[in-house]
Amino acid sequence: SAVISQKPSRDICQRGTSLTIQCQVDSQVTMMFWYRQQPGQSLTLIATANQGSEATYESGFVIDKFPISRPNLTFSTLTVSNMSPEDSSIYLCSVDISYEQYFGPGTRLTVT
Amino acid sequence: GQQLNQSPQSMFIQEGEDVSMNCTSSSIFNTWLWYKQEPGEGPVLLIALYKAGELTSNGRLTAQFGITRKDSFLNISASIPSDVGIYFCAGQSIPYSGAGSYQLTFGKGTKLSVIP
Repeated sequence: SAVISQKPSRDICQRGTSLTIQCQVDSQVTMMFWYRQQPGQSLTLIATANQGSEATYESGFVIDKFPISRPNLTFSTLTVSNMSPEDSSIYLCSVDISYEQYFGPGTRLTVT
Repeated sequence: GQQLNQSPQSMFIQEGEDVSMNCTSSSIFNTWLWYKQEPGEGPVLLIALYKAGELTSNGRLTAQFGITRKDSFLNISASIPSDVGIYFCAGQSIPYSGAGSYQLTFGKGTKLSVIP
């Protein structure tokens, strides 16, 4: 398994601003993922972030809205840009280790 | 795209009772994973299944990978109050070419409440 931390754990942001969420893993991993979990809902994959290549976005998610960085094998960031109240969600990063995905604790974002 | 139907949506049970939940898919998966999520936390992996027909246990939890590769179930025996949470199934299609996304498709979750 892996120990995954996220910063911030929660934030309240104003409409139109941007927030960058950090994900740190205690071991080197090739594949990292970013998910969104809207209140009371299941998890939806935003993008796959592999070190050394551009992130791959799922349908309905675009790079301009959710830019992702993956500078090394233990770290990634997700930015939620030009936020609106509809972006209020929990954002989770995960890593793949031998075909098993392990999740961070999540970042709870509220946009007012 | 792929869809998972997870049932039941919620359960209220007495402490000590056994619990069963399942997921069915319109598509075949290579791997089935079961997670538990508690309030304010990320999902925690409980059991991973890799082969059709596989039956795997983790303490009081038992899960099976359906023979058709389109379904899986999770059983919890002798439930206790700390079993409370939302349980998610997830199916994974691992590209045999080795390239591409190891995407997980999640069910909508089963919310478990245990009455002491």
